[in-house]
Amino acid sequence: AQTVTQSQPEMSVQEAETVTLSCTYDTSENNYYLFWYKQPPSRQMILVIRQEAYKQQNATENRFSVNFQKAAKSFSLKISDSQLGDTAMYFCAFMMIYNTDKLIFGTGTRLQVFP
Amino acid sequence: GAVVSQHPSRVICKSGTSVKIECRSLDFQATTMFWYRQFPKKSLMLMATSNEGSKATYEQGVEKDKFLINHASLTLSTLTVTSAHPEDSSFYICSALGALRTEAFFGQGTRLTVV
Repeated sequence: AQTVTQSQPEMSVQEAETVTLSCTYDTSENNYYLFWYKQPPSRQMILVIRQEAYKQQNATENRFSVNFQKAAKSFSLKISDSQLGDTAMYFCAFMMIYNTDKLIFGTGTRLQVFP
Repeated sequence: GAVVSQHPSRVICKSGTSVKIECRSLDFQATTMFWYRQFPKKSLMLMATSNEGSKATYEQGVEKDKFLINHASLTLSTLTVTSAHPEDSSFYICSALGALRTEAFFGQGTRLTVV
C-alpha cells in the first residue's frame, strides 16, 4: 500500500521569504503522480503543482517549485516570495497512473505567513 | 479549469435519519470520483473510489452499508450516510478525475452535523 508522510505539522515564514515543505512517500510502483494541494480556510482544495514520476525535471509554477527525488521518495515544495495569501494547509498527495486509481493524502502542514 | 459542484454545503440531520450528498462534474465527464472524510485540522481520509457503472471500492474500515455510494452517470456520484449518528458528523469532500486522468478536481465539501 502507498503511504504519504508530512513530518512538519506547522511551519511559519515571513512575508517575501522562502519556505520549504517536506513530503516523503512509499510505493513499489514506478508510474505515478505527485501533487501539492492547498486548502485555505474556505476548505476548497486547490491544486498547487503536479509532478509526473517519469519526468526528471522538477515542476515549477510561478513562485512554487518542487524538489523531486525519486530514489529517495521525497517530494518537497518550495514557496518563494511568500505572500499572506499563501497561509493555508498544504497537503502532499500521491496517485498511481495505472491499475488502482487512488488519490492519497499526507497528514498536512499548516503554513502561516507573517507580515 | 474543470468544475465540480458538491451539494449541499451544509446539512443538519437528526440521529437515525439518512442524508444524501451529491457530487457533480459540471463541464467534463468523470468516470472516477473519490469520496473523502476530513476531521477538524486533519488530513483527507479516502473513504471510497467510485467508478461509473460499477460498484464503489471502499477503503479498509469504511462500512459500505453505512456509506452508500452510487455513481450512476458520468457526471454524478452520490454519498448517502444511512442511519446517521453524531459520530458521523464531519466534513465530506468529493473529487473527480479529469478526462485525462492526470488531475483530480474537488467539490466545495459538505459539513454534516448529526444531532
